[in-house]
Amino acid sequence: NAGVMQNPRHLVRRRGQEARLRCSPMKGHSHVYWYRQLPEEGLKFMVYLQKENIIDESGMPKERFSAEFPKEGPSILRIQQVVRGDSAAYFCASSSTSGGNTGELFFGEGSRLTVL
Amino acid sequence: GDSVTQMEGPVTLSEEAFLTINCTYTATGYPSLFWYVQYPGEGLQLLLKATKADDKGSNKGFEATYRKETTSFHLEKGSVQVSDSAVYFCALSDGSNYQLIWGAGTKLIIKP
Repeated sequence: NAGVMQNPRHLVRRRGQEARLRCSPMKGHSHVYWYRQLPEEGLKFMVYLQKENIIDESGMPKERFSAEFPKEGPSILRIQQVVRGDSAAYFCASSSTSGGNTGELFFGEGSRLTVL
Repeated sequence: GDSVTQMEGPVTLSEEAFLTINCTYTATGYPSLFWYVQYPGEGLQLLLKATKADDKGSNKGFEATYRKETTSFHLEKGSVQVSDSAVYFCALSDGSNYQLIWGAGTKLIIKP
């Protein structure tokens, strides 16, 4: 199964530590999106990347959060100096074209971050 | 700007009941419309879609018809099962850019 792979599935961090979440898109997909989902809430767009480029990071907090999608390897969402409010499920999705044209995004199972 | 409004949940039904989850939208153009489903502990999956007015999307017994006159895309199923318990998200794409516009999601609980 060459679906979207995210790891770790669960991550526990203490306040002030760093969280690093990884996403390998579906084979052949070069468009990656990161979303955050707070408990009992919908998806919030964070960032859209293509290989080696950040296309739109308007949904990502300006401080402590960064994302990359290198030429080789998975996309990484990095959260520095985590705070309790960062506790959430972080979903990665990929598409073969810019997803808005077809709307068909393929999601990973998410990484659930808990900040103690 | 474009937006999607879903009925608030949770929606609780008994097995074999008829399901309707309302979704309405506002958009300046002619968007494509989608329903995604999120089962407990999993990511979202595309359930069905419709790309133009009067199109009906269907999958796994679920249906939704793109109604331009009422700007709606309500999700229906004739007889729900316990395994349909999940969160359902309505979304639209106007095709002009990469972003999907998401509803807040509706949690569906089916009791045996």
